[in-house]
Amino acid sequence: DAGITQSPRHKVTETGTPVTLRCHQTENHRYMYWYRQDPGHGLRLIHYSYGVKDTDKGEVSDGYSVSRSKTEDFLLTLESATSSQTSVYFCAITRDPYNSPLHFGNGTRLTVT
Amino acid sequence: SQQGEEDPQALSIQEGENATMNCSYKTSINNLQWYRQNSGRGLVHLILIRSNEREKHSGRLRVTLDTSKKSSSLLITASRAADTASYFCAEGGGGSNYKLTFGKGTLLTVNP
Repeated sequence: DAGITQSPRHKVTETGTPVTLRCHQTENHRYMYWYRQDPGHGLRLIHYSYGVKDTDKGEVSDGYSVSRSKTEDFLLTLESATSSQTSVYFCAITRDPYNSPLHFGNGTRLTVT
Repeated sequence: SQQGEEDPQALSIQEGENATMNCSYKTSINNLQWYRQNSGRGLVHLILIRSNEREKHSGRLRVTLDTSKKSSSLLITASRAADTASYFCAEGGGGSNYKLTFGKGTLLTVNP
């Protein structure tokens, strides 16, 4: 299995608080992605990174920011959590989005009360 | 908005039967990928098919791609109860587009 770890695995937070989720990889892959998964919506892309300090928005980026200060870590921050951000968040990595598959982490289940 | 859309949303079959799932997309792609997700787990890659390929096989899996119709299909032959899972297609964009966007998935139930 690809070396990809998400932390925390579970988190409960209150509306209005900032939350940071971490994705850590040991594969030295250039490309990293954050998705959220909700019933009836499949996986939706939040943000992705194509290198250190190189990031771009996905389909549902409002209310989220990301940072990639080093190859192995990709952080997702909910600036002021809302109940609509209750979801399961998945990080994924690939060495080449044109020719190689994504490898997924085990997910973070976030509940905003 | 999401691009790939799987059809059907849910499929229930008996062990030993074949299962076919379809995926439609709207824009040009570099590749199309299929993934499986068991309940509560991360997604696992099944097959990647490039835009210049028409068919790929992996064990009991067969994927076809029709770029003129912007569609792909995943066939699982001789299904097993262990194939019960959700199946997703993902589009890989072209050029400098590094996005990989997923559809909503097909829930396959294989009854023993």
